Amino acid sequence: QVQLVESGGGVAQPGRSLRLSCAASGFTFSSYGMHWVRQAPGKGLEWVAVTWYDGSSKYYADSVRGRFTISRDDSKNTLSLQMNSLRDEDTAVYYCARGGGVYCTGGSCYSLDYWGQGTLVTVSS
Amino acid sequence: EILLTQSPGTLSLSPGERATLSCRASQSVAGSYLAWYQQIPGQAPRLLIYGASSRATGIPDRFSGSGSGTDFTLTISRLEPEDFAVYYCQQYGTSPMYTFGQGTKLDIK
Repeated sequence: QVQLVESGGGVAQPGRSLRLSCAASGFTFSSYGMHWVRQAPGKGLEWVAVTWYDGSSKYYADSVRGRFTISRDDSKNTLSLQMNSLRDEDTAVYYCARGGGVYCTGGSCYSLDYWGQGTLVTVSS
Repeated sequence: EILLTQSPGTLSLSPGERATLSCRASQSVAGSYLAWYQQIPGQAPRLLIYGASSRATGIPDRFSGSGSGTDFTLTISRLEPEDFAVYYCQQYGTSPMYTFGQGTKLDIK
């Protein structure tokens, strides 16, 4: 079955860096787009970034563009999020989620069908 | 930027009742680009509906989605105890590429 397991969360000071990872299994990782979505404590969901199935395109939310970098290693079935210049407002649970596959059709291309359990990032001095 | 506004913010109903949740977009959204998620407190979100009206794998048929343009609806025909959760709509656009509504909390009355 599809499994996504995030790691790398923790406490970081403002201005510092943190790198999150997401280990994927149960599906052909290289055939799917992958996302990061975050949720601040007590708040709603905020989309962060996506990488296309072949890594050719990457897109970011305005709030993280220029500070965060999404990447994938298909040889290790791993998705990563490098977070630099962290701010207090980056405090959140970060989820990785599977996006549309290379053979997706219609609405399945634009939804996030499997999610990990999340990893908590706390930015605090 | 397309904004999604969900209503009501909180909906209090009893098991067995019918729930109707609304998601309104600030601009027209292609039906293919609209999805619904359920989040039980302490858990990750779960995809319910994609393409505005298609149920995701394993989702019971008491969940249904409808709508087009700027108005979309998630309906739960007969509420089960496990359905009390927070529900989010999500759309695919340009910049930002993906956005979520602020959520509707479905409470037990």
